[in-house]
Amino acid sequence: NAGVTQTPKFQVLKTGQSMTLQCAQDMNHEYMSWYRQDPGMGLRLIHYSVGAGITDQGEVPNGYNVSRSTTEDFPLRLLSAAPSQTSVYFCASRPGWQTDTQYFGPGTRLTVL
Amino acid sequence: SQQGEEDPQALSIQEGENATMNCSYKTSINNLQWYRQNSGRGLVHLILIRSNEREKHSGRLRVTLDTSKKSSSLLITASRAADTASYFCATVPSNTGKLIFGQGTTLQVKP
Repeated sequence: NAGVTQTPKFQVLKTGQSMTLQCAQDMNHEYMSWYRQDPGMGLRLIHYSVGAGITDQGEVPNGYNVSRSTTEDFPLRLLSAAPSQTSVYFCASRPGWQTDTQYFGPGTRLTVL
Repeated sequence: SQQGEEDPQALSIQEGENATMNCSYKTSINNLQWYRQNSGRGLVHLILIRSNEREKHSGRLRVTLDTSKKSSSLLITASRAADTASYFCATVPSNTGKLIFGQGTTLQVKP
């Protein structure tokens, strides 16, 4: 198993540009989520999904959209990038809604100029 | 605001010493988890303790949970230089599936 994969690893955007961060898992996990990590802030939950077709907001959802058309994929869209969205983004998955271990991807480092 | 707060924010010890990190949270929980993050990498799950458990061990790790005080501690015994990393507690608030992280403790173990 590849586990949780994320692309790209690095990205530089200009203010106002849009892009999609890709996340995929091959473990048939129902639950997937996106976090951002800023220095000194730990990880903050952006959006999560408890299964295909179902998404919900986390702690800091503004400026981000998600969709879950398949069990495997959970892309994160930035519609109009802002410098405040400069961060490291982590995708994660786990087998079920209240199941134990969460598996993290390697992260995407995003800079918005 | 974040669910969990960790103390201390940074900890520096000598190899062989024990390291203790504390986590406090705000709401009732289903479980509390600890994760490790090496510099520039993703997070790795270390241990989970459920709300009806008081103590759990895994190798050199010992986790305690006091739900009356809404707090947990992670003890790493006989630390090694390879334990140098950031450690995060994360909670699953009751009746939710969200995993909410604290700000983390940065541990440096000097050889």
